[in-house]
Amino acid sequence: GAVVSQHPSWVICKSGTSVKIECRSLDFQATTMFWYRQFPKQSLMLMATSNEGSKATYEQGVEKDKFLINHASLTLSTLTVTSAHPEDSSFYICSAGQGVENEQFFGPGTRLTVL
Amino acid sequence: RKEVEQDPGPFNVPEGATVAFNCTYSNSASQSFFWYRQDCRKEPKLLMSVYSSGNEDGRFTAQLNRASQYISLLIRDSKLSDSATYLCVVTRSSHGQNFVFGPGTRLSVLP
Repeated sequence: GAVVSQHPSWVICKSGTSVKIECRSLDFQATTMFWYRQFPKQSLMLMATSNEGSKATYEQGVEKDKFLINHASLTLSTLTVTSAHPEDSSFYICSAGQGVENEQFFGPGTRLTVL
Repeated sequence: RKEVEQDPGPFNVPEGATVAFNCTYSNSASQSFFWYRQDCRKEPKLLMSVYSSGNEDGRFTAQLNRASQYISLLIRDSKLSDSATYLCVVTRSSHGQNFVFGPGTRLSVLP
């Protein structure tokens, strides 16, 4: 399957700081990438759809000014968590689709801990 | 009602057992269906796509019943390495590839 990478794999930051997470498609071009969040013992929840060259589409209840998404190229999307708070601590996972049957391939995830 | 619902689990089975997972979805317009597995603290990995005609991949068999909006996954001769959380995933037809994940069913295969 296609390879998607994320960086960093984990990050610890102080409350009020901003954190940037990168998602890269390594062996294919992705016009669309997806950002998910997963809290402990819960399933993945879609946060937003990142579209290359245009604004991201956010799911209901996700603050677009807090979770800034930039998809500047066909292989890179970034998620910036601005003014992070402890309740933003979570596992953030990106994905990109390449399969002919619309399957998605996931990055390894970024574990964010806000102190 | 949640968009995608799964057996609550966890399932604890001995090696070699056959185990079946059930999933129902509420959006009748959903177009694509998948089973993913997720190991603890890892990303989901595609196990198999699900078709109306049913599909099999080794020990794994998936079925889709569109009329009942029901998806199943059968694992035969379970191995210790099958221990994971199994996620039922459907797409929202109006949003192309947008995935909706079920809550997952945890499987522990015991020696």
